[in-house]
Amino acid sequence: EIVLTQSPGTLSVSPGARATLSCRASQSISSIHLAWYQQKPGQAPRLLIYGASSRATGIPDRFSGGGSGTDFTLTISRLEPEDFAVYYCHQHGSSPFTFGPGTKVDIK
Amino acid sequence: QDQLVQSGGEVRKPGASVKVSCKASGNTFNRNGINWVRQAPGQGLEWLGWISVYNGNTEFKEKFRGRVAMTRDISTRTAFMELKSLTSDDTAVYYCATSTGGVGGAFDIWGQGTMVTVSS
Repeated sequence: EIVLTQSPGTLSVSPGARATLSCRASQSISSIHLAWYQQKPGQAPRLLIYGASSRATGIPDRFSGGGSGTDFTLTISRLEPEDFAVYYCHQHGSSPFTFGPGTKVDIK
Repeated sequence: QDQLVQSGGEVRKPGASVKVSCKASGNTFNRNGINWVRQAPGQGLEWLGWISVYNGNTEFKEKFRGRVAMTRDISTRTAFMELKSLTSDDTAVYYCATSTGGVGGAFDIWGQGTMVTVSS
């Protein structure tokens, strides 16, 4: 099973600032199988990034993804109030599919 | 409209079973199949398994094999997930999710979630 580790666990950021979230895999993943989701309380996860770096439909360009192999990042360039949420990375290339434990982005 | 609509919340006693449904509309009942993901209160996301819409083939996370069943009814475009021998550790929101294509298999459509509570 591919274990995904996310850091930090919690990120306190001021509105308008930049946030960089990390996802590390226990073994190499093809970039096409790495996704990022945003989840707000009481809601289902929402796909932000697929293929490590492609934005899903309707996702603002302040969200960007990068990385390869075992190290991936999600960057939010200028945090808006609606961006404070939990973010999960996900690998769907090797069964069992797995998710990272999440990074909570909260208001500083 | 691409959408997955799940059945309502359930309460079960330990040892019982629960069956959750997930009805698809639009382009969501497709070759990418239906995945099931759960989230215990205050916890992260856990993938349980997947079912192929076309041939009913399934794949489960090892810890759930023998305890979970996934089926689908093509005529009603509905997928089902049944979990047996429930314990309090199975208390969670259960989601169905799929990929509508063009996103490399990532889950771009999610159901609204079904809360399953296991309590004596």
